[in-house]
Amino acid sequence: KAGVTQTPRYLIKTRGQQVTLSCSPISGHRSVSWYQQTPGQGLQFLFEYFSETQRNKGNFPGRFSGRQFSNSRSEMNVSTLELGDSALYLCASSLPTGQVLTDTQYFGPGTRLTVL
Amino acid sequence: AQSVTQLDSHVSVSEGTPVLLRCNYSSSYSPSLFWYVQHPNKGLQLLLKYTSAATLVKGINGFEAEFKKSETSFHLTKPSAHMSDAAEYFCVVSDDDKIIFGKGTRLHILP
Repeated sequence: KAGVTQTPRYLIKTRGQQVTLSCSPISGHRSVSWYQQTPGQGLQFLFEYFSETQRNKGNFPGRFSGRQFSNSRSEMNVSTLELGDSALYLCASSLPTGQVLTDTQYFGPGTRLTVL
Repeated sequence: AQSVTQLDSHVSVSEGTPVLLRCNYSSSYSPSLFWYVQHPNKGLQLLLKYTSAATLVKGINGFEAEFKKSETSFHLTKPSAHMSDAAEYFCVVSDDDKIIFGKGTRLHILP
């Protein structure tokens, strides 16, 4: 079974631009979660989608948004990029069997975003 | 409020010696606890998960962790380190609506 795929793997943008990242979950998985990983803040939960609906959300500003399509693929959008948005953005999928945040999640390799 | 503390940011052990990565947590509820590993330029991979079925949890690659409620700890151990274990390890606590990652412990294996 193919794992979680994320595109693109690397991205360079400038301040003020916007960016869209894509995540394809493992086949059959219906929940997709997004995380931001930085050296200073570590791994932080952004949001989680299930059946095209956002079910859980972390403490990030409204510039960070996402959506999920009927095939469970998900996109994350960041508008008005700031230097501090430079990070590795990880996507994870799960079936789920219950409450997704207590389920086992399967992570993709991430998208490395650099904001100049 | 939930929190998770990984007590060591770096741990160095010699190949063939035991590994201990320490994690303490706090949670208002009965949490789920995980250990994930991240190799360079790779995503996270689940090592093991505690779900209240058994306090000693066995994971992949010879790792195990023991849930100690009285000490609010979930330390990760392995009897004999291998060079391929060099990576960053994350302790994670979650409940129904929150998931918190520890800051990570980088494990170095000395030949």
